[in-house]
Amino acid sequence: GEEVAQTPKHLVRGEGQKAKLYCAPIKGHSYVFWYQQVLKNEFKFLISFQNENVFDETGMPKERFSAKCLPNSPCSLEIQATKLEDSAVYFCASSPRPTNEKLFFGSGTQLSVL
Amino acid sequence: ILNVEQSPQSLHVQEGDSTNFTCSFPSSNFYALHWYRWETAKSPEALFVMTLNGDEKKKGRISATLNTKEGYSYLYIKGSQPEDSATYLCAFGGGSNYKLTFGKGTLLTVNP
Repeated sequence: GEEVAQTPKHLVRGEGQKAKLYCAPIKGHSYVFWYQQVLKNEFKFLISFQNENVFDETGMPKERFSAKCLPNSPCSLEIQATKLEDSAVYFCASSPRPTNEKLFFGSGTQLSVL
Repeated sequence: ILNVEQSPQSLHVQEGDSTNFTCSFPSSNFYALHWYRWETAKSPEALFVMTLNGDEKKKGRISATLNTKEGYSYLYIKGSQPEDSATYLCAFGGGSNYKLTFGKGTLLTVNP
């Protein structure tokens, strides 16, 4: 598709529950990035993929967060045992190349942990 | 930890005013500097990607300059319109990996 599609738009979870977010990148884009926006306007890098391979995972809290990009499936970001501080907007973006090409962003998933 | 600073945090201008904001970033290991326009509840939209020192880019009434040696970029908006109201984010691409590090943005409000 011509847009990065993120689902769901909103997700509400009780503390300790699992949350799974999905992202379909633009067709032909090899790179997928996940960002977490906790505080107003602060986009924190989580992880990036080159096709189905992890490219950079230096931003991922390893204990509870995991992510995958499998062939012919949307990419996913999963949070096991959510905590209150995981409440944020999670943005996915895709790009044909890292860094020197603009990122195409999805509209985000608002995760609320109660 | 890479430090990307944007100033001011927020700005109110009148319709027709011209304005500019600053993004400062590390001056070493530079790959690219991105500017995005973001309205809440929408997708951030790319304005410019700049890679060369001295680069100047223009899109309509919006332009940007880049100084990689001193580590700053300016975004200019000429004759602001209410529809320019948004958060303007800059993002630094550099270091030994390829992730973009975002600043906290400048929230622009243009009053009619």
